[in-house]
Amino acid sequence: EAQVTQNPRYLITVTGKKLTVTCSQNMNHEYMSWYRQDPGLGLRQIYYSMNVEVTDKGDVPEGYKVSRKEKRNFPLILESPSPNQTSLYFCASSFRIGQGIADTQYFGPGTRLTVL
Amino acid sequence: AQSVTQLDSQVPVFEEAPVELRCNYSSSVSVYLFWYVQYPNQGLQLLLKYLSGSTLVKGINGFEAEFNKSQTSFHLRKPSVHISDTAEYFCAVRGRSGGSNYKLTFGKGTLLTVNP
Repeated sequence: EAQVTQNPRYLITVTGKKLTVTCSQNMNHEYMSWYRQDPGLGLRQIYYSMNVEVTDKGDVPEGYKVSRKEKRNFPLILESPSPNQTSLYFCASSFRIGQGIADTQYFGPGTRLTVL
Repeated sequence: AQSVTQLDSQVPVFEEAPVELRCNYSSSVSVYLFWYVQYPNQGLQLLLKYLSGSTLVKGINGFEAEFNKSQTSFHLRKPSVHISDTAEYFCAVRGRSGGSNYKLTFGKGTLLTVNP
């Protein structure tokens, strides 16, 4: 089954304790992206990657890191989490077409993160 | 750059009533338009999309949307809603060309609540 998976689905942690949220897709997509969803703000892009070893900042990258060492995986790293990073996080992926990406993005199930 | 405005943050309706969720966008380039749905405690699912051609687009679960270029709108409609349509709905836009053709910009969401 074609899908985007995220782990963990739920995480409660404390301020300053490094964590990684994994994202994996099995559709051979070149493009991957991370979003955070907050009430009343919709989804905002954190980072994206157009291909292996190619990453760039989205709208709200502060406090986050990413890496793209393999095509299928795109982990989100919080080196020193803070309470304002409490949010619902989504990973998404898509095929790349030329200089852009295909019209449809596929989303993972989400990771609910609470930072105390 | 693009922006999306969903004019209603919450829309309560009774079962079997018609509903319209409003979406306006702004962009300096031609765009693709999307509606995503998020059921409680789930990820985002593509409801429908406008790429080109007919301005009336039909999606899953009996939803449809109409692209109006002169009014820069992409309103979502359903003639008769069910309890199971209770969810949050997100309008999104993406540029067709240039540096914005990879970035999906979301509105803040409209919570549709269908009451018996």
